[in-house]
Formats: sequence, C-alpha cells, structure tokens
Amino acid sequence: GQQLNQSPQSMFIQEGEDVSMNCTSSSIFNTWLWYKQDPGEGPVLLIALYKAGELTSNGRLTAQFGITRKDSFLNISASIPSDVGIYFCAGQLNFGNEKLTFGTGTRLTIIP
Amino acid sequence: EPEVTQTPSHQVTQMGQEVILRCVPISNHLYFYWYRQILGQKVEFLVSFYNNEISEKSEIFDDQFSVERPDGSNFTLKIRSTKLEDSAMYFCASSGVTGTEAFFGQGTRLTVV
Repeated sequence: GQQLNQSPQSMFIQEGEDVSMNCTSSSIFNTWLWYKQDPGEGPVLLIALYKAGELTSNGRLTAQFGITRKDSFLNISASIPSDVGIYFCAGQLNFGNEKLTFGTGTRLTIIP
Repeated sequence: EPEVTQTPSHQVTQMGQEVILRCVPISNHLYFYWYRQILGQKVEFLVSFYNNEISEKSEIFDDQFSVERPDGSNFTLKIRSTKLEDSAMYFCASSGVTGTEAFFGQGTRLTVV
C-alpha cells in the first residue's frame, strides 16, 4: 500500500524559531493536506494543496506540493507555544470521496 | 464554525460486546468517513460513505464493522463483537461537495477490556 514517511519524527525548538518538516511518498498523490493534532483531540486541517508546485500560506504556515507529486513540505515561521503538537501530512489519490493516507507524523516540542 | 461532533468521548467495553460510535457530520457535507488511531500511531482509514452506501473500505473494516446513516444527521460505526485490538481512538470525518478537505471530530476513545 501507499506509505507516507515524515521527517523529522520529532523536533525540539525554541520559541521564535522557524520549523521545516517534510513528507515523502512511495507513490503519487494528487492532493496533499496538512493536519495538526493536539493530545486527545482530532486532526485539525491546516492547509490543502491541489496542484504540483503549488505554494500555499495560512498565517505563519506555508506548505508546498512537490513537483514530483511524491512529496510535500510544511514550514512554520516564528514558532509560538501553541504550535506544539503532532503534524501529519495526508495524501489523497483522486478528487472526491477518496480516503486520506496519513503520514507517520512529526512531533513538535517548544523548549521554553 | 460548523464542526463534526462525536459521542461518547470515551467508551469502555468488555471483549465480545457490541459498541456503536456516533457522529454528527457537518450539516451540508456529503462524504463521511471513519478513521482510527491506535495510541502513538498514525491515523488509518477505515471506511468512506457517500450517497447512502459504502464507497471504499480498508482491510481493517472486516465483517465485524458496519456503518449506517440512520437519519439525515447521524452517522454511526458499529463494532459487532469487540476485540482487545480494537482499542483505539476512532475519528469521524466529513467533507463537502469536492470530497477533498476532510474535517475531523474530536474522536471517541474506545477501550476494550
């Protein structure tokens, strides 16, 4: 089946630092989404990407859909304490009623 | 802001018992999903539902699982005879006309003892 690997698995940063994480796939996806999950909560949608090469921002978050369709990147600028959590990428093969394949997650911790 | 709501938030059940997990998707959404997440692991797809029928299901979604949309608002997941390995967080999700951006509920933590 399709596998999405995220790196790094975990990050320890100081408040105010920028963060970069990525997601790579063994196969092509036509939609990429990034979610954040807080402990004991459901994933919350951050950004959706629909086109290869697309760069999309949502506040301090910027995500890119890789040209090969096999990867995506998420950057967070000037991190703040509420950015702590697990970030998951998710790929969707086709539009419409299509399951999401989730990545392995990147756990972000902010050191005071 | 519209949201997906799930009940109960936590369910403890004995092995072999039936459980029903309930969800109210976002009201104008057309596609409905169940996912599960075993503690510390990634989110895994179980089943998608559209136009009153299952459109896709994973290997996890065997004969012990069923889904139903009994009325215009609720979407349920039934596990007929629970096993210890069914212990997980179960998330309901829904998406709108494009079927792409899925919005998740807060989850039901199922503990099978």
